[in-house]
Amino acid sequence: SQQGEEDPQALSIQEGENATMNCSYKTSINNLQWYRQNSGRGLVHLILIRSNEREKHSGRLRVTLDTSKKSSSLLITASRAADTASYFCATGASGAGSYQLTFGKGTKLSVIP
Amino acid sequence: DTAVSQTPKYLVTQMGNDKSIKCEQNLGHDTMYWYKQDSKKFLKIMFSYNNKELIINETVPNRFSPKSPDKAHLNLHINSLELGDSAVYFCASSRTSGNNEQFFGPGTRLTVL
Repeated sequence: SQQGEEDPQALSIQEGENATMNCSYKTSINNLQWYRQNSGRGLVHLILIRSNEREKHSGRLRVTLDTSKKSSSLLITASRAADTASYFCATGASGAGSYQLTFGKGTKLSVIP
Repeated sequence: DTAVSQTPKYLVTQMGNDKSIKCEQNLGHDTMYWYKQDSKKFLKIMFSYNNKELIINETVPNRFSPKSPDKAHLNLHINSLELGDSAVYFCASSRTSGNNEQFFGPGTRLTVL
């Protein structure tokens, strides 16, 4: 299985601080994606980074990918209370004629106002 | 203007019953998915359809039968419900079955008593 594993499982920070979440995976991937899930809601796509990319930015989000270490990190800068949610990494790969996203167990982020 | 919608949002039923969850996307996407999220928030792919054809069928009991009447709809029918089927079920769609972001519905919380 190339399931992503997020670290830490839970993170609590003060508003304005930066939050860093890590993801490790096991096998080759086409891309890695990060999603956010607010309590009781569906997942929302945040950012996709391809296997030949090393870093990507989107607003206050910065994602890095190190394919040699099979790891990725998601940095949220200047966090806000509204960033409180669970964050999931998902590895995308092709196999047996189909493409599949495999999700990790998520990091629960709490941003304290 | 909901992109991916699911009905019902909540479903409470007795063991042994048969139930269906409906999913519709108005994004013009070719590929749709069903995921199961357990109580520990672990999200696992169940099925994927591309243009009404099944392309991913993970190890899911055959009590679960997806049906895609057209590429905008992917319904999930569950026979002989068991306690272990209690979970949140998410429908998702993507532009193609390739390396794309997925758009998730709000989820259906199924409780089997």
